[in-house]
Order: sequence, then structure tokens, then C-alpha cells
Amino acid sequence: DAMVIQNPRYQVTQFGKPVTLSCSQTLNHNVMYWYQQKSSQAPKLLFHYYDKDFNNEADTPDNFQSRRPNTSFCFLDIRSPGLGDAAMYLCATSRDRGMGNTEAFFGQGTRLTVV
Amino acid sequence: AQKITQTQPGMFVQEKEAVTLDCTYDTSDPSYGLFWYKQPSSGEMIFLIYQGSYDQQNATEGRYSLNFQKARKSANLVISASQLGDSAMYFCAMRGKAAGNKLTFGGGTRVLVKP
Repeated sequence: DAMVIQNPRYQVTQFGKPVTLSCSQTLNHNVMYWYQQKSSQAPKLLFHYYDKDFNNEADTPDNFQSRRPNTSFCFLDIRSPGLGDAAMYLCATSRDRGMGNTEAFFGQGTRLTVV
Repeated sequence: AQKITQTQPGMFVQEKEAVTLDCTYDTSDPSYGLFWYKQPSSGEMIFLIYQGSYDQQNATEGRYSLNFQKARKSANLVISASQLGDSAMYFCAMRGKAAGNKLTFGGGTRVLVKP
């Protein structure tokens, strides 16, 4: 059974048109991450929530926003997608108690195309 | 700051042979976790194995084992008896308390298993 679910699997959006990617989890994990992964590259962390605390990476563009209305759901909003934002977006969760010793569980990703 | 380096962009391995994927890291954090993930062409990120910085023994998980050399700051993955289904990208990752427990990835190694 899928534990981290990302919807949709594939998203096509128009240049400049706001788009929202969603992630839900059934694991009750306190940490949720959003990564951007471009072709043949490593996943790049955009931001993560530690419980309700939002942690933005210094180099994440303002164009990317996130919401976590409750433990189970987390959204990635791209306010004005550009061609360079076309990528795979990965959501991950982990149960963390400050020891750094638990693995992250990933969803299947959303592949975003900007036209 | 924490940094993960994978120096092998790609490698071939003969089916049924073993392969070692290199991973070195840099951190000032005394407590951290090291992880290996497999990413097949479908895009999902699959957790393989974990090694804690205080673990005395090298981690093993089926055909996967981790050669952890703390003094050298290396955490190489060994895949024994390679199978065609092992063809994928492999990422080394780490989490540390000092870095806010965020999961940071190396650049990845693409493995192709030849029949």
C-alpha cells in the first residue's frame, strides 16, 4: 500500500500559470520534504517542514511556496512556472526525533512539464 | 554544512558479480545517518540501507552491505550477485542534527548490469 502519495503523477502547465502539486502520507511522520530533481541530477531540497515549522533552503526561488495544513498533507505551489521549472518533484516524509537516524520515504514523484 | 560526494558518474557490472559504489562525506556533526537509495527509470526513490554514525558494525540488508569507514568518512555500498533489475541510479545521502536533520544527496552513480 502506498504510504506517500503524490498527485498527479504527471502535470502539464502553461508558462506563468500557477500550479499546485500535492503530497499526502499515511505514516503520521512529522517531517515532510519537497525536492526538485532535474534529469540525471541529484534531488535538490527546496524546503521541509519539521512538524509545523517551515524550513526554506536559502537558494529556493520565491516562486516556490509550500503549505502544510495538517500532518498528512503538504502542497507545493509554483506561482509562475518557467520553462526551467520543468522537473520531477519528489515528496518525502520521515519520523524524526532529532537523531538523524531514520530513513525518508518517498512518493512516486510528479513530473512537471511547462509549455 | 554537510556534503556528500559520489565520484563515479556511471559504471557497468556483469550480472552475478559484485559492485562497489563509492560515497564520501564531510560533516562536523558528531551524530549523523548515512543512507543509500535506488532510483530506477520509473523515478521512485527506494530506500536500501542505513548506517548510523555510532554504529559499530557495518549495515547489511540482503544483497546490500555498507562498508563504513568513519575515519575516512566513507560509506561505500556493495551490491553482491548483481541482477539485471539492479540497473538504476544510486544515491548516497546523509542527515545530521547540526544541518537541521535535512536529507542531503550526493550526485548519484548510474549502474548498468550487463547480462
